[in-house]
Amino acid sequence: DIQMTQSPSSLSASVGDRVTITCQASQDISNFLNWYQQKPGKAPKLLIYDASNLETGVPSRFSGSGSGTDFTFTISSLQPEDIATYYCQQYDNLVTFGGGTKVEIK
Amino acid sequence: EVQLVESGGGLVQPGRSLRLSCAGSGFTFDDYAMHWVRQAPGKGLEWVSGITWNSGSIVYADSVKGRFTISRDNAKNSLYLQMNSLRAEDTALYYCAKDIGCTSTSCHGPYYGMDVWGQGTTVTVSS
Repeated sequence: DIQMTQSPSSLSASVGDRVTITCQASQDISNFLNWYQQKPGKAPKLLIYDASNLETGVPSRFSGSGSGTDFTFTISSLQPEDIATYYCQQYDNLVTFGGGTKVEIK
Repeated sequence: EVQLVESGGGLVQPGRSLRLSCAGSGFTFDDYAMHWVRQAPGKGLEWVSGITWNSGSIVYADSVKGRFTISRDNAKNSLYLQMNSLRAEDTALYYCAKDIGCTSTSCHGPYYGMDVWGQGTTVTVSS
């Protein structure tokens, strides 16, 4: 089974800060990786697919990069509405989610 | 509007069974694979099971293999999860989700991820 390790598990940043989350796969998954945002009490929302493609309607301050085993998710300028937990998810072999990163405002 | 609506959750004793349903609308249901994903209280997302458009491929997480059965009825635009031998650790909010499908940058298949989610149905396993 492919394991996905996300870091950090939580972070606190100021409005306008650049926020970076990393996700590491236990084996090479090419670009078969997606990123989701989950706000409290809500269902997850797809933000990035295939490692770097922005889902339709998602603000351009969100971006993703990486391939192989190491991936990065970035919010270029943190906004108050970005408070949420973010998850990576691989689909190279079945489906696995990372443990999540809770983003809070400082 | 693309929509998924889950139902069938509830309180059940350990060892008993429960069947979840998910009704899809606003998209061509039988064009897409579908998934069940769960989230235990205060925890992260856990993928449970997936099924391709024609039920030709069915896969499960190790944690539910042999106890849960996923199925679909394309004529009714519906997805199901039969859960047997339930355990306390199965307590969670269960989401139904539509698979993204093949994209312009990846046609790896048969499962990609989830671009439409329901609001979830809660399953509590307790005596």
